[in-house]
Amino acid sequence: SAVISQKPSRDICQRGTSLTIQCQVDSQVTMMFWYRQQPGQSLTLIATANQGSEATYESGFVIDKFPISRPNLTFSTLTVSNMSPEDSSIYLCSVMGPTPEGPYGYTFGSGTRLTVV
Amino acid sequence: AQKVTQAQTEISVVEKEDVTLDCVYETRDTTYYLFWYKQPPSGELVFLIRRNSFDEQNEISGRYSWNFQKSTSSFNFTITASQVVDSAVYFCALSEGGNQGGKLIFGQGTELSVKP
Repeated sequence: SAVISQKPSRDICQRGTSLTIQCQVDSQVTMMFWYRQQPGQSLTLIATANQGSEATYESGFVIDKFPISRPNLTFSTLTVSNMSPEDSSIYLCSVMGPTPEGPYGYTFGSGTRLTVV
Repeated sequence: AQKVTQAQTEISVVEKEDVTLDCVYETRDTTYYLFWYKQPPSGELVFLIRRNSFDEQNEISGRYSWNFQKSTSSFNFTITASQVVDSAVYFCALSEGGNQGGKLIFGQGTELSVKP
């Protein structure tokens, strides 16, 4: 199964600034996903990142706030723009593909724990 | 639209008790996949099980068992003889198959606390 390297693992940022989170996969994958997990909450899908096309955003998330790049089949970035304390969350990337459990599953990065002060 | 509901926000049990975590889902697709994940305090997501919509056979893995019932759109998870190490947040999730894009939608999660 794919191995995901997500960076940074954590950061503390000033409000009004932006942070770019990187997700590197050790194999080519078609679909990459970005999730947000606010404190004490579930995982909410931000967008689906497809190589060669614009990301598809879920309701409540917009490109200006969360621009995503997907330059190739192994890499993606999520930027959290003009941050406010409400953006303090864990951000996770995920890929769909073969896993040890079977041909169809999801692998998650270890997450980026963001605190905005 | 797809939706996953975990009505139990928090459950607290004493060690060795059995506990069942409920999951109800909604989907219009006939082909879909259901998952359970565990998120311990350390934060990483631990995969527990995947079930596709054509396989209603219940599964047992050690102390864990899953009951999938399409008639009630439920995919419940039971831990037998719970242990303190089972304390975590458990998420049920749904992914639609076909051309739906494959996105994984999570329920709200159930926080399980197992006390010694």
